[in-house]
Amino acid sequence: AQKVTQAQTEISVVEKEDVTLDCVYETRDTTYYLFWYKQPPSGELVFLIRRNSFDEQNEISGRYSWNFQKSTSSFNFTITASQVVDSAVYFCAPFDQTGANNLFFGTGTRLTVIP
Amino acid sequence: EAGVAQSPRYKIIEKRQSVAFWCNPISGHATLYWYQQILGQGPKLLIQFQNNGVVDDSQLPKDRFSAERLKGVDSTLKIQPAKLEDSAVYLCASSSLQKNYGYTFGSGTRLTVV
Repeated sequence: AQKVTQAQTEISVVEKEDVTLDCVYETRDTTYYLFWYKQPPSGELVFLIRRNSFDEQNEISGRYSWNFQKSTSSFNFTITASQVVDSAVYFCAPFDQTGANNLFFGTGTRLTVIP
Repeated sequence: EAGVAQSPRYKIIEKRQSVAFWCNPISGHATLYWYQQILGQGPKLLIQFQNNGVVDDSQLPKDRFSAERLKGVDSTLKIQPAKLEDSAVYLCASSSLQKNYGYTFGSGTRLTVV
């Protein structure tokens, strides 16, 4: 059975610090997709990134970067020079395409950036 | 393009009452999802439609929850009768047939059952 773990429940950082959010996805599948979503206080889930299991290249988008390592089943998300607007709950969400064929979510990490 | 529309934004009802939520997906998206997000948890899928047919409703409490998508466009989720534990945010999402490209979510309906 697939399992996604976001071990960090809450993280607080001071503005301009870097922060890394961890995600571990355990599965026997060789092909899968992983997503990160951001949920600000307004409640809407905002898509950040999609990555497939064959692509282990790191990706950078502005202050955001992602590190996917298939060998350790980890898909970590780093925010560089954090800002108050980054305060939100961040979800790691695998796409299960061999079973239920839909997106399922971890428990989320609440990030608070202190000005 | 317009996003996923949901209404109402907030709803407060007493237990044992009924309530309905509405969702209009992104135009052309064949697949529509309803998720339940209890405070402090990740969203949990309740039901998935493809066009006007149900693909997966294995986690829908069918004794009290029902959902329909009659014309394959907008959808309604109903709870009757509501229980205190139904207090949650109900999120609607839609995707193209290429589901692994990700979903677009609406802002959700926050339900409080008192």
